[in-house]
Amino acid sequence: EVQLVASGGGLVQPGSSLKLSCVASGFTFSTYNMHWFRQAPKQGLEWIGMIYYDGSHNYYSDSVKGRFTISRDNSKNTLFLDMNSLRSEDSAMYYCSKGTSTFAYWGQGTLVTVSS
Amino acid sequence: DIVMTQSPTFMSKSVGDRVTMNCKASQSVGSNVDWYQQNTGQSPKLLIYKASNRYTGVPDRFTGSGSGTDFTFTITNMQAEDLAVYYCMQSDSYPFTFGSGTKLEIK
Repeated sequence: EVQLVASGGGLVQPGSSLKLSCVASGFTFSTYNMHWFRQAPKQGLEWIGMIYYDGSHNYYSDSVKGRFTISRDNSKNTLFLDMNSLRSEDSAMYYCSKGTSTFAYWGQGTLVTVSS
Repeated sequence: DIVMTQSPTFMSKSVGDRVTMNCKASQSVGSNVDWYQQNTGQSPKLLIYKASNRYTGVPDRFTGSGSGTDFTFTITNMQAEDLAVYYCMQSDSYPFTFGSGTKLEIK
């Protein structure tokens, strides 16, 4: 069974940093591209970035480019999202998912709140 | 970035009704559109991929169609459990982008 367990969320102040993790199981992690999405409270879904299966390439949305970095450790089946210079508008539920362009599996999400 | 304009924003329908919602892409995305259902407090659930393919286990009352810039998602014989927000998403080019969602209410 595919499982994606995100963690690391919490309450942080504006301008601070936070690192999210997503531990994968039930599939061969090292052969899949991985993606991060987010959803602000009572708002729609937003794709924020991805990493190739081998970590060789990344793509990001303009809203996070230069502040967020996606990485992975294939030996630990773990995806990361490094978030810097956090803003109030980054407050959201963050989800990880696997795949190239269609996302059948979503983790439960981890909640990030940026507030003073 | 490709803008996905989804309509309507809100619909109120009765059980047994036919429900139709649309997404229009700001440029051609081929057939690279998926449709997701999100119930309150839950993660999104994939219903339709590549415009018209029903995902495994999805009831056949859910269908998708379209290509290029215009896409349609239909629920025939709507059921009470279909109460949710529905999103289209284009995966033709990065950044992937979503429509703003259609909230379906049961009348």
